[in-house]
Amino acid sequence: EVQLLESGGGLVQPGGSLRVFCAASGFTFSSHAMTWVRQAPGKGLEWVSGISTGGDTTYYADSVKGRFTISRDNSRNTLFLQMNSLRAEDTAVYYCATGQDGFWRYDSWGQGTLVTVSS
Amino acid sequence: QSVLTQPPSVSGAPGQRVTISCTGSSYNIGAGYAVHWYQQVPGTGPKLLIYANDNRPLGVPDRFSGSKSGTSASLAISGLQAEDEADYYCQSYDSSLSGSVFGGGTKLTVL
Repeated sequence: EVQLLESGGGLVQPGGSLRVFCAASGFTFSSHAMTWVRQAPGKGLEWVSGISTGGDTTYYADSVKGRFTISRDNSRNTLFLQMNSLRAEDTAVYYCATGQDGFWRYDSWGQGTLVTVSS
Repeated sequence: QSVLTQPPSVSGAPGQRVTISCTGSSYNIGAGYAVHWYQQVPGTGPKLLIYANDNRPLGVPDRFSGSKSGTSASLAISGLQAEDEADYYCQSYDSSLSGSVFGGGTKLTVL
């Protein structure tokens, strides 16, 4: 069974940095592209970033480009999202997700980790 | 303003059929990119409901069906049940943004 477990969320001040993690199990992590999707409180889903199986190809939403960096460690079955220059509008639950068909379909999701940007 | 447009809410009585529309553009749905649908119960992560326009993952009841035409897609739910009450999102790829796009979500209320 595919399991995705996010962690690392918390309270951070505007302009600060935070790194969130996604521990994967139950599937061959190194064979699947991975994705971060976020959801602001009471709002809809927003795609944030995606990374290829080997980590050499990455995609970012315009809203986070230049501030967020996605990466992965296939030896540890772990996905990362480094978030810098955080803004109040980055406050959200961050979900990691993966799928059977490349970057753009999400068969499995984690339970999410909450990031709150506030002074 | 989401790239894919969904109605904010729909409702129906138990046993009835409802549909949720998802309208895009020539950069996403109209360009032939697949549409996927997700169900989200508040407080939980989303669940894939329909993939590649009209396919159901294993375990999803056949009461759920998807379709696509032109720049739009639809999710139909027949034989409404109380446990269908949730938020529903459509999603596709957008070539002008080089990334995934989601609809704004539709809240389904079972009366």
